[in-house]
Parts: sequence; C-alpha cells; structure tokens
Amino acid sequence: GAVVSQHPSRVICKSGTSVKIECRSLDFQATTMFWYRQFPKKSLMLMATSNEGSKATYEQGVEKDKFLINHASLTLSTLTVTSAHPEDSSFYICSARDPAGGEMGRYFGPGTRLTVT
Amino acid sequence: GQNIDQPTEMTATEGAIVQINCTYQTSGFNGLFWYQQHAGEAPTFLSYNVLDGLEEKGRFSSFLSRSKGYSYLLLKELQMKDSASYLCASMDSNYQLIWGAGTKLIIKP
Repeated sequence: GAVVSQHPSRVICKSGTSVKIECRSLDFQATTMFWYRQFPKKSLMLMATSNEGSKATYEQGVEKDKFLINHASLTLSTLTVTSAHPEDSSFYICSARDPAGGEMGRYFGPGTRLTVT
Repeated sequence: GQNIDQPTEMTATEGAIVQINCTYQTSGFNGLFWYQQHAGEAPTFLSYNVLDGLEEKGRFSSFLSRSKGYSYLLLKELQMKDSASYLCASMDSNYQLIWGAGTKLIIKP
C-alpha cells in the first residue's frame, strides 16, 4: 500500500521556538494533504487542508499565522508551529490523498509527538 | 450540525466477537470509514462502506445502513493485538472526513 512518512516522530522544544514537521508521500503524488492534531483520548481534529501549489485552507479556530503550512510539491507538505507554547503540545498527524485511490485513497503518516516545555 | 457518535470504551474477551456501533449525521454522505489506531500511532485503514450492507474482510466486517445513519464494525476471533482504538469517520459532501472520538477496545485473556 501507499506510504506516507513524517519527520520527526518526536520533538521537544522550548517555548517561543518554532518547529517544522515534514510529511512526504513516498510512492504516489499527493494532490491534497491534510494536517490533524489529536489530544489524548480524543479524535482527530482537522487543522487544515493543503493543495499543491496553493494556499492552505484552515479550519475555523486554527491560527494560520501560527501554524504555517506549505505544500510546495506533490510529495511534500510541511507544518511549522511558530512561537510554540506548551498548549501546542500534541500529536500531529498528516494524511495524503492519492487521487488514484478514490475515496479510499487516504493514507496517514505515523504522526509527530510535539512537546513544548 | 455534523456529528459522529460511538461508545467511548468496550471490553471483550480473547477469541470472542465484538460489535462497535457508530451513528452519524453529516452534510451529505460519501461513505463511512473505520480506522484502527494503536496508542501513539497514526490510524490505519480498516474498511470503507458507501452502499448499504455488510462488507466482510477476514476477521473484520463492516455494516452500513444509510437510511438509519448507522454503521458497525464487527471483529471476530479477537486477539490481544486487536486492543486499540477504533475510529469511525463519515465523508461529507465536500469529501471531508468527519471523525468520531473513537472507541477504545480492551481485550482480556
């Protein structure tokens, strides 16, 4: 099956610093990528949807200046958490859509555990 | 509004059968997904239903009734490795996935 990688898998940073998370589709071209965050024992919360070469569409309540998303190529999207605060600590998961897979063509990365101290 | 409901937690015995229910209300409907998520890992795809009826795939089966806004995931011959959270997600008219909070399944020997 299709593979989506995420890097890093875990990151600890200090308050006020920025962290970049990469999401790559390894064996397909992802026209659309999704960024989610998940709190313990909670469901996935969609943060934004990004299409290659265009600006990301953010969900209501998600600060686009704080969570910068770049989808520069069909295989790479990045999420940068700027000026991180402890409340940004969470599990961040990306998902990529393989257009050849129809509705089932959505694949998840392994997630990134962010801890802000 | 859009809403997905599923039980928070269920417990079952190794070797037994368990059914996890999900009810959904979404703006439009383009299918119902079930994912498995082990703690600290990303979800993995289990099943997709867009037509009414039962889809069987090995030990796992998924059922959909569109008129009732209802689905269930049936797990047979439970194994300890099946202990995980099971997420129900409905795809709305914009092809966005609307997620349930997940059902934590605990398997006891």
